Amino acid sequence: ETGVTQSPTHLIKTRGQQVTLRCSSQSGHNTVSWYQQALGQGPQFIFQYYREEENGRGNFPPRFSGLQFPNYSSELNVNALELDDSALYLCASSSLKAGANEQYFGPGTRLTVT
Amino acid sequence: KQEVTQIPAALSVPEGENLVLNCSFTDSAIYNLQWFRQDPGKGLTSLLLIQSSQREQTSGRLNASLDKSSGRSTLYIAASQPGDSATYLCAVHQGGSEKLVFGKGTKLTVNP
Repeated sequence: ETGVTQSPTHLIKTRGQQVTLRCSSQSGHNTVSWYQQALGQGPQFIFQYYREEENGRGNFPPRFSGLQFPNYSSELNVNALELDDSALYLCASSSLKAGANEQYFGPGTRLTVT
Repeated sequence: KQEVTQIPAALSVPEGENLVLNCSFTDSAIYNLQWFRQDPGKGLTSLLLIQSSQREQTSGRLNASLDKSSGRSTLYIAASQPGDSATYLCAVHQGGSEKLVFGKGTKLTVNP
């Protein structure tokens, strides 16, 4: 069984630039969720994708967008980067079913915006 | 709005001690509750998942309990080891929502 993988591991960008982060879900999972974790905080939900459609969104501006592909991998895109976007970005995969939704997390991408 | 609180924020114990980490949540309408471990700069490792209909789950030296009506969960770690040093995060899967709501975590240090 292949776990959740994310790329790249680390990334440094300049304010105003755009970034794309990638996630491959665990084998057999059809749902991907993205979280942002600032230093010293718990992860905050950005959005979730199920069967290539957005299936819930947290309190993040539209410059945070995503995609899910037919193989259930996913991308997180952030436009017009701000200094506060510096964080660990976590991807989680799961198999969506009513009442039980154990999520498995990848190792994360550390984004630094200067 | 669901809020999750973890107490204490940090805990330092000698090796071999049994310890309890606490998690409280404000809205009892949850599907389940998960406990995670996070090593510095790393992703989250799922430790235990408790369904809303369950009272507790056990895995090795770990035992997690859930009292949904009072909005509380505890993670009990028996015979702590230096390798248990990490941040422990509690998260609830909110009913009618797709997201996990996390606490800020408890940073545990087990001293040899």
